[in-house]
Amino acid sequence: LAKTTQPISMDSYEGQEVNITCSHNNIATNDYITWYQQFPSQGPRFIIQGYKTKVTNEVASLFIPADRKSSTLSLPRVSLSDTAVYYCLRSTGRRALTFGSGTRLQVQP
Amino acid sequence: GAVVSQHPSWVICKSGTSVKIECRSLDFQATTMFWYRQFPKQSLMLMATSNEGSKATYEQGVEKDKFLINHASLTLSTLTVTSAHPEDSSFYICSAPDTSGETDTQYFGPGTRLTVL
Repeated sequence: LAKTTQPISMDSYEGQEVNITCSHNNIATNDYITWYQQFPSQGPRFIIQGYKTKVTNEVASLFIPADRKSSTLSLPRVSLSDTAVYYCLRSTGRRALTFGSGTRLQVQP
Repeated sequence: GAVVSQHPSWVICKSGTSVKIECRSLDFQATTMFWYRQFPKQSLMLMATSNEGSKATYEQGVEKDKFLINHASLTLSTLTVTSAHPEDSSFYICSAPDTSGETDTQYFGPGTRLTVL
């Protein structure tokens, strides 16, 4: 699977909403978009997954437009503990995931 | 979400020795598991795909005789780093897809830090 494209880094302050956009121009029909969060020396943690439109769970929202060429992860009211690397990935069933560089989010007080 | 465990969480060994890392899916079965390696400040790189009941498949550039993979059961895969050298020092992470849902979401283990002296 091809890698996705996302900003290398982002800065934010506590309490703000953070939106991380990911580009996946060549997304295949069977691909889902999945976001993971990784802290130093830990495995990636599943955040959210979607196919089209909007998905929301207790920690984030995921917006995917109709053409599915991009997606946006929205983190409401971030805290210092949200400082991490966030990966946007195309996922198809049981196939291995191809990681890009991810987005390093730094939340400041 | 589903839980994947790894053991040990960290290991230090002498050069030339072998190290075994276990990956377990705790609340679901996985016929396939994946092994990744991550160097400092870098992203995860797929090393190999572990298949229950058959041979593992390795990515280009990964030595199959050095990184032995055994998928012993539907909940356990092991990675053995044979004759480890300092350049093998890295963070090893496994993942497994939970196929009980609609989308086969993959879940990752907490990782194993290997340091070869």
